[in-house]
Amino acid sequence: GENVEQHPSTLSVQEGDSAVIKCTYSDSASNYFPWYKQELGKRPQLIIDIRSNVGEKKDQRIAVTLNKTAKHFSLHITETQPEDSAVYFCAASQAGTALIFGKGTTLSVSS
Amino acid sequence: NAGVMQNPRHLVRRRGQEARLRCSPMKGHSHVYWYRQLPEEGLKFMVYLQKENIIDESGMPKERFSAEFPKEGPSILRIQQVVRGDSAAYFCASSLRDGRPEAQYFGPGTRLLVL
Repeated sequence: GENVEQHPSTLSVQEGDSAVIKCTYSDSASNYFPWYKQELGKRPQLIIDIRSNVGEKKDQRIAVTLNKTAKHFSLHITETQPEDSAVYFCAASQAGTALIFGKGTTLSVSS
Repeated sequence: NAGVMQNPRHLVRRRGQEARLRCSPMKGHSHVYWYRQLPEEGLKFMVYLQKENIIDESGMPKERFSAEFPKEGPSILRIQQVVRGDSAAYFCASSLRDGRPEAQYFGPGTRLLVL
């Protein structure tokens, strides 16, 4: 079955810096890769996703890149703000299957 | 446009009791997924259901756990004879359809505490 590895487990940046979180997946059949943000005690919120037919997707300060050959994808957050502090999860799936999540990255943005 | 709803938000049970967790998907969504999150850990898939069908229950323990998504009403995750190790946050998510990868939207979760 699918296995998703996520790095780093914790990431501390200064406000205004960029943050990058990386994930690798094992199943070459996976074709959907969402990213979720979870604040303490809250639900996971979908912040961006990418399908395997594109290599990059951007939404304001957030971008995701996908390398199908290497089976890895990354989340990039630019101009970080304190409200970006949260746990970020990557996931992988195929159509009609459950999401397999990475273990999460705790991002701390200090002002 | 109501999102995914779950109730109760918090549930306290003593060992040996039953826990019933309910999930109402987003309007128009016919696919429901249940995930479990232990403290400071990631989300682990438990079961995937469509109306009146269990599609994939590979992540759900074989004993004490069951799930259903009836034709009418919410999806229910049932845990019988709870033990302390069942204490966790249980999230459900819903998606629009299969056939192509679809975004899953999560409910607020039920935090189960077993005393």
